[in-house]
Amino acid sequence: DTEVTQTPKHLVMGMTNKKSLKCEQHMGHRAMYWYKQKAKKPPELMFVYSYEKLSINESVPSRFSPECPNSSLLNLHLHALQPEDSALYLCASSQFSGGGYSTDTQYFGPGTRLTVL
Amino acid sequence: AQSVSQHNHHVILSEAASLELGCNYSYGGTVNLFWYVQYPGQHLQLLLKYFSGDPLVKGIKGFEAEFIKSKFSFNLRKPSVQWSDTAEYFCAVNEVNTGFQKLVFGTGTRLLVSP
Repeated sequence: DTEVTQTPKHLVMGMTNKKSLKCEQHMGHRAMYWYKQKAKKPPELMFVYSYEKLSINESVPSRFSPECPNSSLLNLHLHALQPEDSALYLCASSQFSGGGYSTDTQYFGPGTRLTVL
Repeated sequence: AQSVSQHNHHVILSEAASLELGCNYSYGGTVNLFWYVQYPGQHLQLLLKYFSGDPLVKGIKGFEAEFIKSKFSFNLRKPSVQWSDTAEYFCAVNEVNTGFQKLVFGTGTRLLVSP
């Protein structure tokens, strides 16, 4: 099973709302990722968690707050977003081989399409 | 910083035509290379990957790619495309010395196969 699930599939929120995106995998992967994909653009890495610890933050604004409550779950908390944050938010996971040589393969979820009004 | 170039932004082919999509990357060290496909309305799926060994890699659905280190290239090929291959194709590169997989994607190639 190489499935990564994401909820909700679609989300519309106002600029003053607080919402959360959820991601789940049951492949025993220990690395999880958030990407942002604008229309007709490639995915751009936002955050990487390994063993439930934040390992990479690609200078993402603080209105995006990731959380990894356990090895299977990854959340992205949203607050005071801007219309330009509207995008497809993708979650991915990989085994995380660690060390200096990674042979990981990332598996992607279907994404949450976020619209900020 | 690592960059990935896909020079063909849009490709239109008839069924049974051969396909080659270009991918070039900038990093001079050891890399892992991937091709992902995104069918309309679906999530990113892995087509094939290269870590080491035989530079000619075979993936799913009849796709293959060749890693040419001297040219910093990892071009995707398929001898005969089908209408169902209509999708967006992304090349991605990971610098293996980071310890984490930090994928950098190319800008993508939209393939339209006409029946």
